[in-house]
Amino acid sequence: DSGVTQTPKHLITATGQRVTLRCSPRSGDLSVYWYQQSLDQGLQFLIQYYNGEERAKGNILERFSAQQFPDLHSELNLSSLELGDSALYFCASSFQAGPRDEQFFGPGTRLTVL
Amino acid sequence: GNSVTQMEGPVTLSEEAFLTINCTYTATGYPSLFWYVQYPGEGLQLLLKATKADDKGSNKGFEATYRKETTSFHLEKGSVQVSDSAVYFCALSEKGGTASKLTFGTGTRLQVTL
Repeated sequence: DSGVTQTPKHLITATGQRVTLRCSPRSGDLSVYWYQQSLDQGLQFLIQYYNGEERAKGNILERFSAQQFPDLHSELNLSSLELGDSALYFCASSFQAGPRDEQFFGPGTRLTVL
Repeated sequence: GNSVTQMEGPVTLSEEAFLTINCTYTATGYPSLFWYVQYPGEGLQLLLKATKADDKGSNKGFEATYRKETTSFHLEKGSVQVSDSAVYFCALSEKGGTASKLTFGTGTRLQVTL
């Protein structure tokens, strides 16, 4: 158990819908990362927050947005969902925000878009 | 941009066999290098890491050495067990700056049989 929690574990929805994925980082960690794992794209970095502020952005679609709240939990919002958005979404956390900081991964949320 | 190339799987070995999973990278500067493992139905766990050239990361019998001259970080284990069956991801994180993202390889599935 990494200490990172993600809810829900599974999510099934329809095209065009909007969903919210939630992540609680390990106690004391200030940085949160979101990754997408799909069969065709592999594991891709989406976005990073540090202490409430966006710190780095990767291949995140404009239909997707995220935020980190004052209690440090984070939410990833996916809207106008398409079949191709079906994937495993991982959240990770680290104490600081630098490249040497070990990232601890949550168990993931499996999103299925029908 | 940064990239990580891993040998394609699946790799099938008998218990107690020697394991090598190749990983090479392309990056500007001198990244930190990581191996993550993903067991079925679980999130990613950090297996080992190395942050500078010639560093050797090791954990649970697995080893990898940061080779700057060949831009490689091959994963090895002298004697695999059935419980090592999983998907292994090589990853890098660029040094410098105050942001961090992991760039992953495509993953190599290892299956160990009795």
